Amino acid sequence: GAVVSQHPSRVICKSGTSVKIECRSLDFQATTMFWYRQFPKKSLMLMATSNEGSKATYEQGVEKDKFLINHASLTLSTLTVTSAHPEDSSFYICSAGPGAGGQKETQYFGPGTRLLVL
Amino acid sequence: GDSVTQMEGPVTLSEEAFLTINCTYTATGYPSLFWYVQYPGEGLQLLLKATKADDKGSNKGFEATYRKETTSFHLEKGSVQVSDSAVYFCALASGGSYIPTFGRGTSLIVHP
Repeated sequence: GAVVSQHPSRVICKSGTSVKIECRSLDFQATTMFWYRQFPKKSLMLMATSNEGSKATYEQGVEKDKFLINHASLTLSTLTVTSAHPEDSSFYICSAGPGAGGQKETQYFGPGTRLLVL
Repeated sequence: GDSVTQMEGPVTLSEEAFLTINCTYTATGYPSLFWYVQYPGEGLQLLLKATKADDKGSNKGFEATYRKETTSFHLEKGSVQVSDSAVYFCALASGGSYIPTFGRGTSLIVHP
C-alpha cells in the first residue's frame, strides 16, 4: 500500500518554542492531507485538512494561529505548533488521500509524532 | 451525523483464542467501512475494508463482514497471537469523503 512518513518521530521542546512536524507521501501525490491529534487512550481528533496550494481548513475549536499548516507541494505538508505549551503535548498523526489506484476513501496514515512540551 | 460505536476494552485473551470486536455504525447512505490497527507507539495502519453490503474484508487472518441490516462490521480472528496486541479502530467514510469517522478504539491484549 501507499506509504506516508512523518518527521520527527519524537520531539521534546521547551515551553514557548515552536515545533515543526513534516508529513510526506512517499510514493504518491496527495492533494489533500489530514492532521489528527490523539490523546492517551482516546480516538483520533481531526484537527485540519491540508490542501495543496491553498489554505488549510480547520475543525471547530482548533486554533489556526496556534497550529500552522503549510502544504507547499503534492508530497509534503507541515504542521507547526507555535509557542508550544505543556497542554500541546500529544501524539500527532497525519494521513494522506486520495489513495493510489482510485481508492479514494482509503486514507494512509503516517507513523505519528510524539510531542512533549516541558 | 455519522458515528461509530465500538465495544469498550481492553479485551484480554490468551494466545490462540477466538477474537470478536463489535462495531456498529450510523450513517446516511452507504458508507465504506474500515478497521485500522495501531500498534504501541505507532500510527494507524489500514487492516481491512469493505465498500458495500455483504462484502467481507480480510487481512492477516482478520475478517469483517459489512452487515447493512444490522449496521455492523464486527472484527473477528480465529486464533490470536501475542503480536496482535494493539488498539483496533473501526471507522466509516460516507459520501465519497476521504475523512473517516472513527470509533473510540478497542485495546486488545493477548497473553502467551
